[in-house]
Amino acid sequence: GEDVEQSLFLSVREGDSSVINCTYTDSSSTYLYWYKQEPGAGLQLLTYIFSNMDMKQDQRLTVLLNKKDKHLSLRIADTQTGDSAIYFCAESIGSSASKIIFGSGTRLSIRP
Amino acid sequence: KAGVTQTPRYLIKTRGQQVTLSCSPISGHRSVSWYQQTPGQGLQFLFEYFSETQRNKGNFPGRFSGRQFSNSRSEMNVSTLELGDSALYLCASSLADRTEAFFGQGTRLTVV
Repeated sequence: GEDVEQSLFLSVREGDSSVINCTYTDSSSTYLYWYKQEPGAGLQLLTYIFSNMDMKQDQRLTVLLNKKDKHLSLRIADTQTGDSAIYFCAESIGSSASKIIFGSGTRLSIRP
Repeated sequence: KAGVTQTPRYLIKTRGQQVTLSCSPISGHRSVSWYQQTPGQGLQFLFEYFSETQRNKGNFPGRFSGRQFSNSRSEMNVSTLELGDSALYLCASSLADRTEAFFGQGTRLTVV
């Protein structure tokens, strides 16, 4: 079946690294995404990784993909108060990869 | 380059009415997908259009329909509105098959 799972909450101290984990079920996923949603806003594409990659780094963001375990993680280095948001893990499925299945979102809160 | 534009941003309707939401994709993007976001169900796929044809459909009743025009703009219609249709409706566009998806800010529909 199609399912993406992630923990609901994460609290980190400002300046520390945040690691948000996600598991997915569809092995045919083409893209795996991380989206950020701030209160009252739409979805902002943070980063994505193509399914044949193991790692992608983009400034403070590092995405790790373990295809064998169907595990995806997002690491945010030097977490700032502006990083407070809900982070959604998602996978694209289907022959056109146009259908996206989302996790329930992880609410990241930053402690001073 | 303009992003995905959804109109209107906010809408209040009464039960039994119908509503039409609009989505203008990023210029050049041919695929448009629609999602419903509610606190209880999270983000759920509604349907996807490509070159004016519906290619994928989620598990929503027939009251939810859509269409895509030759310029790739898409509309979503919900008839006989129910209180449970209150949600944030998000539209995403992608260039072609197997390319990343970008979301608009969403239309927040409240049914009273």
